Amino acid sequence: AQSVSQHNHHVILSEAASLELGCNYSYGGTVNLFWYVQYPGQHLQLLLKYFSGDPLVKGIKGFEAEFIKSKFSFNLRKPSVQWSDTAEYFCAVGTNAGNMLTFGGGTRLMVKP
Amino acid sequence: DGGITQSPKYLFRKEGQNVTLSCEQNLNHDAMYWYRQDPGQGLRLIYYSQIVNDFQKGDIAEGYSVSREKKESFPLTVTSAQKNPTAFYLCASNARQTAGYTFGSGTRLTVV
Repeated sequence: AQSVSQHNHHVILSEAASLELGCNYSYGGTVNLFWYVQYPGQHLQLLLKYFSGDPLVKGIKGFEAEFIKSKFSFNLRKPSVQWSDTAEYFCAVGTNAGNMLTFGGGTRLMVKP
Repeated sequence: DGGITQSPKYLFRKEGQNVTLSCEQNLNHDAMYWYRQDPGQGLRLIYYSQIVNDFQKGDIAEGYSVSREKKESFPLTVTSAQKNPTAFYLCASNARQTAGYTFGSGTRLTVV
C-alpha cells in the first residue's frame, strides 16, 4: 500500500518569507498528486493537483508544486507568504488502483505578521 | 450549488451511546469516504464506498459502522465500542480520482 510523508509538522514563518513544504510518497506506479489546504475553522479545499503533463503545477493563491518522479516528491512552494496563508496543508496521493486518496499527516503553517 | 453537507456541526454524546453522523452529497459522485482528523495525525480513513450498497473498511474501522442505501447518502455511526470517539469527522466524495475529493465541513464529536 502507498504511504505519504510530510516531514514538517509545524512551520513558522514571517510574512514575505519563502515557503517550501515537503511531501514524499511511496508507490512505484503512476500517481496523481494533490495538495489540500484547511484554513482555521474551514473545510479542506483543493490547492492544486497533478496527474500528467508539466511537472510544475500552479495552483490558487500563488502556490505551486513540482513533481519530481525520481525523488517520489511533490513539494509545495510559495515565493512570499502572507498572514492569510496560516493553515494546515495536506499532501495526498492517488494511484490507478481506484478513486481513493492517501493523505500525509499534514503540516501546520503559521505566518507571523 | 452542488456540495457535501455534514450535520450536525457539533455533537455531544454520553459514553455508552451510539450516535449517527450525516453526510449528504448532490454532486452525483459514486464514491464517498469518512475520515477522522485528530491533531498531529492527519486524516485517517474509517470507511469508504465506491458504489451504492457496497462499502469497505478503512484503516480504523473498529467501533464504526456505515450504510450506503442511496447514492447521495453515507451516514456514519459511532458505536459505544469505539474507545476514543472524540474527534473531528470529515466526509468526502469524488467521481474520479483525477478530480480529487470534495470535502464536507465536518462534524466535531465530543463524548462527555
